[in-house]
Amino acid sequence: DAKTTQPNSMESNEEEPVHLPCNHSTISGTDYIHWYRQLPSQGPEYVIHGLTSNVNNRMASLAIAEDRKSSTLILHRATLRDAAVYYCILVGGTSYGKLTFGQGTILTVHP
Amino acid sequence: DAMVIQNPRYQVTQFGKPVTLSCSQTLNHNVMYWYQQKSSQAPKLLFHYYDKDFNNEADTPDNFQSRRPNTSFCFLDIRSPGLGDAAMYLCATSRDLRGAMNTEAFFGQGTRLTVV
Repeated sequence: DAKTTQPNSMESNEEEPVHLPCNHSTISGTDYIHWYRQLPSQGPEYVIHGLTSNVNNRMASLAIAEDRKSSTLILHRATLRDAAVYYCILVGGTSYGKLTFGQGTILTVHP
Repeated sequence: DAMVIQNPRYQVTQFGKPVTLSCSQTLNHNVMYWYQQKSSQAPKLLFHYYDKDFNNEADTPDNFQSRRPNTSFCFLDIRSPGLGDAAMYLCATSRDLRGAMNTEAFFGQGTRLTVV
């Protein structure tokens, strides 16, 4: 399975935008880029996913590089509730729907 | 409303005593997964069911078994829990396998297992 690389941690202030990067240089043509987050003591929750085009939903935006070797999750206005571990995961190929979690990025949001 | 429900949220078991964790879903999804998440680590897939077909990950210990009696329920059985099996166990569902590449997975809140 293709791997992803994310910074171990990032910090943000409340109500400011947050850009969480993810590198996936070995991505294959059929891999979708998924983002999940895990709040403390809870199960992971889906945030957003995409294949080639940028995607927006009520939670976040996903910006995908033209060569698909990297992507950025954008939280437009961080809140304290957004403090979580964010996982960038490639889903596709032989993994089908199985999620292989990397270490993720710990996002701290300051009031 | 919770769509993937795990019971109990916290489970304490004795070393070597069999324990069963349960998961139910109201989504009517074909695929159910069990993940193990140890402290400060990322979730790790143990196995999954696609309908009644069971698929074990290559490195899942034999000590872990699973049952899926119907679409809605899935159980994780740990035959002889060791101290190293203390972890959060997460159940998840997705609508399909191939199609799951382009859809989301739904996770339960997890069961935190303590082995004493």
